[in-house]
Amino acid sequence: KAGVTQTPRYLIKTRGQQVTLSCSPISGHRSVSWYQQTPGQGLQFLFEYFSETQRNKGNFPGRFSGRQFSNSRSEMNVSTLELGDSALYLCASSLSHPYNSPLHFGNGTRLTVT
Amino acid sequence: GQSLEQPSEVTAVEGAIVQINCTYQTSGFYGLSWYQQHDGGAPTFLSYNALDGLEETGRFSSFLSRSDSYGYLLLQELQMKDSASYFCAYSTPLVFGKGTRLSVIA
Repeated sequence: KAGVTQTPRYLIKTRGQQVTLSCSPISGHRSVSWYQQTPGQGLQFLFEYFSETQRNKGNFPGRFSGRQFSNSRSEMNVSTLELGDSALYLCASSLSHPYNSPLHFGNGTRLTVT
Repeated sequence: GQSLEQPSEVTAVEGAIVQINCTYQTSGFYGLSWYQQHDGGAPTFLSYNALDGLEETGRFSSFLSRSDSYGYLLLQELQMKDSASYFCAYSTPLVFGKGTRLSVIA
């Protein structure tokens, strides 16, 4: 079974631009979660989608948004990029609720904002 | 609010046993999970404790005490490849601690 696929692997953007990251979950997984990982801050929860509906949202500004398509693929968008948005963005899929159904992570998209 | 506390770094000798502790504070609890992440890699699931007690998976064991809001990950017969960051996580959505960096030395 193919794992979670995230594209692109690396991105370099300039302050003020916007970016879209893509995530294809494991086949059959309906929950997709997004996390931001920075040194010293660990993994911070962005949002979780289940069957095209945002089920939970973390404490991030409205510049961060996401969506899920009918095939469970998900995208996240960051508008008006700031230097502090430089991070590894991880997508994870699970069969149902992430708390009792293991999260399967992709290798992430490393975003650098200059 | 919600929070998890775990040590930032732990060093242990190859072949030894190491315990990584995790304390949490939350208004709603759905069990404690543990994930491992090697440098440059993706986090991978290790274990999940929904109830009090010990769960064993090979060289790794995880323990939970809900009355003490405390859990730990126990790694036995340490190997160099166990050098990684270990995260405890709880609740829904899944909230992660800041991670414990384990260094295994010869």
